[in-house]
Amino acid sequence: AQSVTQLDSQVPVFEEAPVELRCNYSSSVSVYLFWYVQYPNQGLQLLLKYLSGSTLVKGINGFEAEFNKSQTSFHLRKPSVHISDTAEYFCAVSRNTGNQFYFGTGTSLTVIP
Amino acid sequence: KAGVTQTPRYLIKTRGQQVTLSCSPISGHRSVSWYQQTPGQGLQFLFEYFSETQRNKGNFPGRFSGRQFSNSRSEMNVSTLELGDSALYLCASSYSTGKGYTFGSGTRLTVV
Repeated sequence: AQSVTQLDSQVPVFEEAPVELRCNYSSSVSVYLFWYVQYPNQGLQLLLKYLSGSTLVKGINGFEAEFNKSQTSFHLRKPSVHISDTAEYFCAVSRNTGNQFYFGTGTSLTVIP
Repeated sequence: KAGVTQTPRYLIKTRGQQVTLSCSPISGHRSVSWYQQTPGQGLQFLFEYFSETQRNKGNFPGRFSGRQFSNSRSEMNVSTLELGDSALYLCASSYSTGKGYTFGSGTRLTVV
């Protein structure tokens, strides 16, 4: 079975500071990894995904994530955050043989002016 | 191209009633999945449909059901509503298995 752990439920950070949102997963099979963002009263928007290849993945809005197989982690980073990055961020994993996603419990990022 | 469209956006129902939610996937996407999002349980997988067949099902009671039509549009139905069914219901479509969804904006269901 797959599971996803987002280690921080809330992350406050000052505007223009760097941020890292942590995600660890467990799986006995090969997986795909994703980060989604959710703004209030909206659905989820895909930020980036790791399917294969380079372990450093770049996404939209200046976000990037690094897949670390030995540590089973997929942490999300941004070098300089903006007020508009305030949102809920979800890490997710899927098996490469199925379409069921397993989501973490989310990290609420608050950017402080 | 148009995104995933869910209707209605908001819904208020009374306990014991039933409700049907609709989802139109992105054109060309044959897989449609449904998720329930609540503050306490987070995002939970309900089911997935592919080419009109339920391919995968989450751990929800039989009151939750769905279907997919030949044009890939999908509906989910919840019968005998309970207060705990109040949630944001998200539909997501995808072209390739496991490689990422596009989500709709959701239907906010409130059961009173």
